[in-house]
Amino acid sequence: DQQVKQNSPSLSVQEGRISILNCDYTNSMFDYFLWYKKYPAEGPTFLISISSIKDKNEDGRFTVFLNKSAKHLSLHIVPSQPGDSAVYFCAASAPKGADGLTFGKGTHLIIQP
Amino acid sequence: EAGVAQSPRYKIIEKRQSVAFWCNPISGHATLYWYQQILGQGPKLLIQFQNNGVVDDSQLPKDRFSAERLKGVDSTLKIQPAKLEDSAVYLCASSLGGLAGVYEQYFGPGTRLTVT
Repeated sequence: DQQVKQNSPSLSVQEGRISILNCDYTNSMFDYFLWYKKYPAEGPTFLISISSIKDKNEDGRFTVFLNKSAKHLSLHIVPSQPGDSAVYFCAASAPKGADGLTFGKGTHLIIQP
Repeated sequence: EAGVAQSPRYKIIEKRQSVAFWCNPISGHATLYWYQQILGQGPKLLIQFQNNGVVDDSQLPKDRFSAERLKGVDSTLKIQPAKLEDSAVYLCASSLGGLAGVYEQYFGPGTRLTVT
């Protein structure tokens, strides 16, 4: 039973354009959401997070949007750069982030020159 | 600030053998996690420690997996005996923990285990 779903295994975006990665969740107890970036042979690196009391959080080129009613979140990267090519994992936690994380399967983002 | 350290980075063993992984979290991080990541999947939580106490081990296959965190710092994860399906990357993560109001987890590079 996948509680966090990333339905796009891969996404190809041209350099300089916007990358949008999507994530859906089913567990209404989740109240804290994170995005991680992973390069081959490395551990996941924390990118950005959002609490359920917010609907948007921004950090430089990265913005995460949360739609609680739809149980959907998305990560926007603007503008996309070659170094953004990696696997991106959506993760969720409850309550208030104290628990271990539940991850999606990841989306492989490829930035085309 | 030093990150989460893990060793070994790679391990190849035969089925029915035993193996142990070591993790040293970021200094001052009270909470430590072990995750299993099978190829093509996201990491799956195996066990969570708060200081040296177990908070959640509901997804740990306790018939073959064990973990400890002595003195609330370093941790070891052991598999005995290993099965083919244990082939995965084992990730250790740490965080300051909810009591500190900081929930982001920081991951080590992982140990890639191959069971033949």
